[in-house]
Amino acid sequence: NAGVTQTPKFQVLKTGQSMTLQCAQDMNHEYMSWYRQDPGMGLRLIHYSVGAGITDQGEVPNGYNVSRSTTEDFPLRLLSAAPSQTSVYFCASTHRTGNTEAFFGQGTRLTVV
Amino acid sequence: DAKTTQPTSMDCAEGRAANLPCNHSTISGNEYVYWYRQIHSQGPQYIIHGLKNNETNEMASLIITEDRKSSTLILPHATLRDTAVYYCIVSTQGGSEKLVFGKGTKLTVNP
Repeated sequence: NAGVTQTPKFQVLKTGQSMTLQCAQDMNHEYMSWYRQDPGMGLRLIHYSVGAGITDQGEVPNGYNVSRSTTEDFPLRLLSAAPSQTSVYFCASTHRTGNTEAFFGQGTRLTVV
Repeated sequence: DAKTTQPTSMDCAEGRAANLPCNHSTISGNEYVYWYRQIHSQGPQYIIHGLKNNETNEMASLIITEDRKSSTLILPHATLRDTAVYYCIVSTQGGSEKLVFGKGTKLTVNP
């Protein structure tokens, strides 16, 4: 049982490049979320999903796209990376029933130069 | 979601109890108090949650005041590995997919 797995762990992008951050969970959780964390700050919600085919925006969605075609995967796409998107990105998943705790991945550290 | 207020930092001696306070004066009747911690830059880890009764698990105890406007997380015997940022979050029980994090409290456990 791997939990929530994020890839890659580290990434450097040039301004304007695109990339996809991967997130997969093997706990059959219905809910999945993406957060970003800037230095000295708490996590901020980017997008979340309550099931396959259903996504919604969080606090800071601009510049990011998501889709949820399967229960297991919730990729985050940066269409045109900007230096302001330099951050650590965390993916989380939660079981719909009970929904008491979120399980987080180990993060992807992204630098945009 | 209700906003929480936590001290920026706290220190604790190893082996002693660490008491981390949190104010949530605008909490709604259906909102729970959740605590998570983040060690170094790892992903946050769930600790405990409660509605209005005190709660205890293998990691910590949660004490919520009767008016529910504040709470305290207690680590009964802090170890060096408990050094982390602790986040107090209020959310409905069905809201763990969209948590609102503040800056948390940086707890340093000293030898």
